[in-house]
Amino acid sequence: AQSVTQLGSHVSVSEGALVLLRCNYSSSVPPYLFWYVQYPNQGLQLLLKYTSAATLVKGINGFEAEFKKSETSFHLTKPSAHMSDAAEYFCAVRYSSASKIIFGSGTRLSIRP
Amino acid sequence: GAGVSQSPSNKVTEKGKDVELRCDPISGHTALYWYRQSLGQGLEFLIYFQGNSAPDKSGLPSDRFSAERTGGSVSTLTIQRTQQEDSAVYLCASSPDRGQTDTQYFGPGTRLTVL
Repeated sequence: AQSVTQLGSHVSVSEGALVLLRCNYSSSVPPYLFWYVQYPNQGLQLLLKYTSAATLVKGINGFEAEFKKSETSFHLTKPSAHMSDAAEYFCAVRYSSASKIIFGSGTRLSIRP
Repeated sequence: GAGVSQSPSNKVTEKGKDVELRCDPISGHTALYWYRQSLGQGLEFLIYFQGNSAPDKSGLPSDRFSAERTGGSVSTLTIQRTQQEDSAVYLCASSPDRGQTDTQYFGPGTRLTVL
């Protein structure tokens, strides 16, 4: 079955440290990939998306993600965490234009002062 | 411009009652999605509309759940004979439906509590 897996329901890093949130998809055909962020008491918003134009995708707020077909991964990174990055992050996949978007279970990112 | 709006923002109901949740998508967006987000869970897909038709309703958890969309715009999600396990935040999203890499724009959600 087509699915997306986010490893780690909760990740905690120190302010200024590297942020790494993991996402793996299950498919032999590369899907279309997205990262969404949900700040406390706010709706979900798009952080970045993979459109096959480039494997390294840059998003808002200094985040980026790299598509690695060999590893079926699309991990999200940020070199230096800010307190304002504390939120829930969701990886999502879509396999065709006529299909639903499948979301991962989410990773809650906490930032330690 | 106006984003996706949902009403009500909060709904408390008694077990066994019917509820209707409304979604107003961004004007011109042909695709509309409903999701459910339970406490500590990810987003569970419920149904997808393309225009007024629903090519994928595979996520509706039971026949107590139904949804419709009229005029290619407003959508209503109806839950009949609500159960406590229906308590969740129900999210609606819309997109221009211009292809596989469409961005979905989410509404603020309706928090449903079934007592």
